[in-house]
Amino acid sequence: ETGVTQTPRHLVMGMTNKKSLKCEQHLGHNAMYWYKQSAKKPLELMFVYSLEERVENNSVPSRFSPECPNSSHLFLHLHTLQPEDSALYLCASSQVGGSGNTIYFGEGSWLTVV
Amino acid sequence: KQEVTQIPAALSVPEGENLVLNCSFTDSAIYNLQWFRQDPGKGLTSLLLIQSSQREQTSGRLNASLDKSSGRSTLYIAASQPGDSATYLCAVRPAGGYSTLTFGKGTMLLVSP
Repeated sequence: ETGVTQTPRHLVMGMTNKKSLKCEQHLGHNAMYWYKQSAKKPLELMFVYSLEERVENNSVPSRFSPECPNSSHLFLHLHTLQPEDSALYLCASSQVGGSGNTIYFGEGSWLTVV
Repeated sequence: KQEVTQIPAALSVPEGENLVLNCSFTDSAIYNLQWFRQDPGKGLTSLLLIQSSQREQTSGRLNASLDKSSGRSTLYIAASQPGDSATYLCAVRPAGGYSTLTFGKGTMLLVSP
């Protein structure tokens, strides 16, 4: 248990569906992240939110839409995805501004687009 | 642009062996370096974090070293056990800014009984 909880753990969706991934952190951190992990590729940062404000967006397609309503919750809204978007989506959190800045990851949400 | 390389991509050893995993990075302007473990189908678990001013960190049978000037880090695992089987990832955080880690592709380790 890392203190970062992701739901659902597994999701299968069609290309025309709309779904959302949810992440919740219980660590009191002030920054949250979405990463994408595809087979045989390094983890890719998608979005960073710090103090509920999006501070980085690594040119992610608009079919991925993040939402951070407060410092403990982060969503990734999905619509009209492509099969190549099938991957493990990892949420993480950290405390920005302190020493160390260890980042904690959730268990991930396995997404399959059919 | 920072690039992180991990060698080897996969490693298979018998139980009890000491082993070394390698990580190299192209930009030495880092704030810290972190080693993670990932079990199949799971998220990442932080193992060790080394600040840029440090040379090494130890936790149990794990020892991580950092040579920032040469852009290298190693993760040493002593007396390996089957439970150590996992993928080990190295990630660097740039100096300044947020924790926008750059990850390597990982080393997949298999320790056989």
